Amino acid sequence: DAGVIQSPRHEVTEMGQEVTLRCKPISGHDYLFWYRQTMMRGLELLIYFNNNVPIDDSGMPEDRFSAKMPNASFSTLKIQPSEPRDSAVYFCASSSSWGPLTEAFFGQGTRLTVV
Amino acid sequence: SQQGEEDPQALSIQEGENATMNCSYKTSINNLQWYRQNSGRGLVHLILIRSNEREKHSGRLRVTLDTSKKSSSLLITASRAADTASYFCALGGIYNQGGKLIFGQGTELSVKP
Repeated sequence: DAGVIQSPRHEVTEMGQEVTLRCKPISGHDYLFWYRQTMMRGLELLIYFNNNVPIDDSGMPEDRFSAKMPNASFSTLKIQPSEPRDSAVYFCASSSSWGPLTEAFFGQGTRLTVV
Repeated sequence: SQQGEEDPQALSIQEGENATMNCSYKTSINNLQWYRQNSGRGLVHLILIRSNEREKHSGRLRVTLDTSKKSSSLLITASRAADTASYFCALGGIYNQGGKLIFGQGTELSVKP
């Protein structure tokens, strides 16, 4: 397996534009996590899914953020409209049926810059 | 806070020395995990220790867990320049929090050749 695949690796966009980040989890994994990493706030859990269903989105900063998982092999994180303070590295991670009871596998991340 | 708190925030040592990083937490957990992150890369899982375990080894890594003190330590023995990275503890199976996996702020380790 190629591991968790995120796209794009880098994204530069103007304030107010819509941004969509994509993630393909490892095949067979049914937990999927979205994290945001900044120097100030560290690694924050935004939302996680189990069997394509959002379980906890309490970490999503505001209504401008939304995440979907239409099937077991694809998830998106959308920011609309984007703001400069959204600039961060966004990571997707997946794990097997035991979720947080086993290791999580991370993608390489998407570095988002909003100017 | 459910987040693990790591200490020290930064650590600089010479190659060959041992590096010890600590993680303290406040909630009940099923397991505690350690991850490594090289600059500009994703996190890589190193080791997982369950709440009923006290010590675990993997190569040059040694992890301890004291659930009574709610603390864990990661020891890297005979460090190498290639060990330079950020190290994070993560809390898994948090009581009453379902499937969350919550990370600490990390320890930045620099190993000088």
